[in-house]
Amino acid sequence: EPEVTQTPSHQVTQMGQEVILRCVPISNHLYFYWYRQILGQKVEFLVSFYNNEISEKSEIFDDQFSVERPDGSNFTLKIRSTKLEDSAMYFCASSYQPGTVNSYEQYFGPGTRLTVT
Amino acid sequence: QKEVEQDPGPLSVPEGAIVSLNCTYSNSAFQYFMWYRQYSRKGPELLMYTYSSGNKEDGRFTAQVDKSSKYISLFIRDSQPSDSATYLCAMIEGQKLVFGTGTRLLVSP
Repeated sequence: EPEVTQTPSHQVTQMGQEVILRCVPISNHLYFYWYRQILGQKVEFLVSFYNNEISEKSEIFDDQFSVERPDGSNFTLKIRSTKLEDSAMYFCASSYQPGTVNSYEQYFGPGTRLTVT
Repeated sequence: QKEVEQDPGPLSVPEGAIVSLNCTYSNSAFQYFMWYRQYSRKGPELLMYTYSSGNKEDGRFTAQVDKSSKYISLFIRDSQPSDSATYLCAMIEGQKLVFGTGTRLLVSP
């Protein structure tokens, strides 16, 4: 069964450093997302991406964050100048093209645990 | 008022029990209601979803939506220890999912 994959599973970084989290969405999906979950809190939406551009972003997704689809398979989240409060699980998700019957089904990857020290 | 509210639990039941998990929401514009299951330190796994009001059944799971009360439920029949996880309700808003905090379910053998 196709699944979303994410690397690395755990990333430790020092405050102020840049990190890139990587995701490979399900191959025939066209809509991509990043969410995060701070320990003990709810899953929060960061950004959605379609047709090589951001389609929606939350207040959390400020200039510190950026997303990119560098090739036909990868989808990345870059966090510049990390802060302690960026420590969280980051989940990538993907879904079918908007307007299709299953377009509301978002499938999540296993997550990357980011620890900022 | 929070957009989506869930009792965090934990909810402890014996194996074989019928489980009822619930969410309330405030935004009457929500039309798609999702249930995800999340095991510890794993990604949310889509269980099922419903559109607008009504019931939907999938095996041991039944999802129910009451839009007039802004209340949704997930019922699990014949619960198993492997059902022990956190259950997240979520609603579609635009292109994003708005999640509840999740209810932790513990099914004891």
